[in-house]
Amino acid sequence: TQLLEQSPQFLSIQEGENLTVYCNSSSVFSSLQWYRQEPGEGPVLLVTVVTGGEVKKLKRLTFQFGDARKDSSLHITAAQPGDTGLYLCAGAGDSNYQLIWGAGTKLIIKP
Amino acid sequence: ETGVTQTPRHLVMGMTNKKSLKCEQHLGHNAMYWYKQSAKKPLELMFVYSLEERVENNSVPSRFSPECPNSSHLFLHLHTLQPEDSALYLCASSQDRPTKNEKLFFGSGTQLSVL
Repeated sequence: TQLLEQSPQFLSIQEGENLTVYCNSSSVFSSLQWYRQEPGEGPVLLVTVVTGGEVKKLKRLTFQFGDARKDSSLHITAAQPGDTGLYLCAGAGDSNYQLIWGAGTKLIIKP
Repeated sequence: ETGVTQTPRHLVMGMTNKKSLKCEQHLGHNAMYWYKQSAKKPLELMFVYSLEERVENNSVPSRFSPECPNSSHLFLHLHTLQPEDSALYLCASSQDRPTKNEKLFFGSGTQLSVL
């Protein structure tokens, strides 16, 4: 059974601080997606990483796919209150339609 | 019109009720999904339809019954639910398989409470 362990589960920090969220697995994924979900809404895709070692940047957010394609990280620089939300990672594994999801990181950025 | 629309947004039902959740996508996608989201747990894939045919075999209790009358509409029929079925039910669509790097587009969800 493929699993994705996401950490931390919850993070509350002050505006302007940096943070990193991790997704780890013992399984290899062909690609990994990161989503953000705001209260009362569905998840929205932020980025897809495909190649081992790949780094993608989205403004203050930096996403990295591990060299072995078993793990990924999301780093936020100078966090803003607008970054508040639930961050989810999802790996593409063996199944055609089933993604393997992490349990999410609930992030709160205090002004 | 937003990409994926779900109704109702909130639903409270008794254990003996029968209700249906509705999802409509305006994106011309080929695949539609029902997911269950519970607090602090990974999203659980319940059902997938591709070109109106059910694909993937996930273990879902028979009290949940999906219906996909066409490529734009997806229903989840609920009957004799249990309190542990209380959760956020999300509908999603994609053009192709997510394992082919296609992203999922989600609706806002139906927050279901079973009393």
